[in-house]
Amino acid sequence: GAVVSQHPSWVICKSGTSVKIECRSLDFQATTMFWYRQFPKQSLMLMATSNEGSKATYEQGVEKDKFLINHASLTLSTLTVTSAHPEDSSFYICSGNMAKETQYFGPGTRLLVL
Amino acid sequence: EDQVTQSPEALRLQEGESSSLNCSYTVSGLRGLFWYRQDPGKGPEFLFTLYSAGEEKEKERLKATLTKKESFLHITAPKPEDSATYLCAVVIGGNQFYFGTGTSLTVIP
Repeated sequence: GAVVSQHPSWVICKSGTSVKIECRSLDFQATTMFWYRQFPKQSLMLMATSNEGSKATYEQGVEKDKFLINHASLTLSTLTVTSAHPEDSSFYICSGNMAKETQYFGPGTRLLVL
Repeated sequence: EDQVTQSPEALRLQEGESSSLNCSYTVSGLRGLFWYRQDPGKGPEFLFTLYSAGEEKEKERLKATLTKKESFLHITAPKPEDSATYLCAVVIGGNQFYFGTGTSLTVIP
């Protein structure tokens, strides 16, 4: 139980284009979803927290106009990287939790911006 | 300042050589401490949640313990497939996780 999927698993795009990443909780309803990014050999850095039907709460230093988050339902959240640039290349991971605090993570999406 | 520190950064063990990973924290109002395993290029896989000092959880060769200042992840007779990065995270107010930097474990056959 508590499976989270992400799509796509990897994406390569040109600088200036926008990329959408989907995060789905497959067998539970995620009251809250989280988006992280992870650079090589570093730990996860929280980007934003979102609750279904509400605006996302962004961490300090994360541009909300660049990283658009939509939490349309209890099983789906999307992260859109707008006008992506090479410095946005990273590993993006989402997670969801139910009533208690345990977060269940997706497999991650590797983004490479050329 | 709230902090989560994991040690060592990297650990190499011979197969069967038991050891412990440490996660120390300086936070107020701990609501839970979590252990995850992360394989390269994958998302973290949930292992344990600990809520109060003295609590212990076990799963196969892994055992997690919690005190008021730190948590240990004990690995008994590890196998090569236990090689991964082990992350701990704490929750204080709300649902936000504060992650440690992880311990990279390599088990040599």
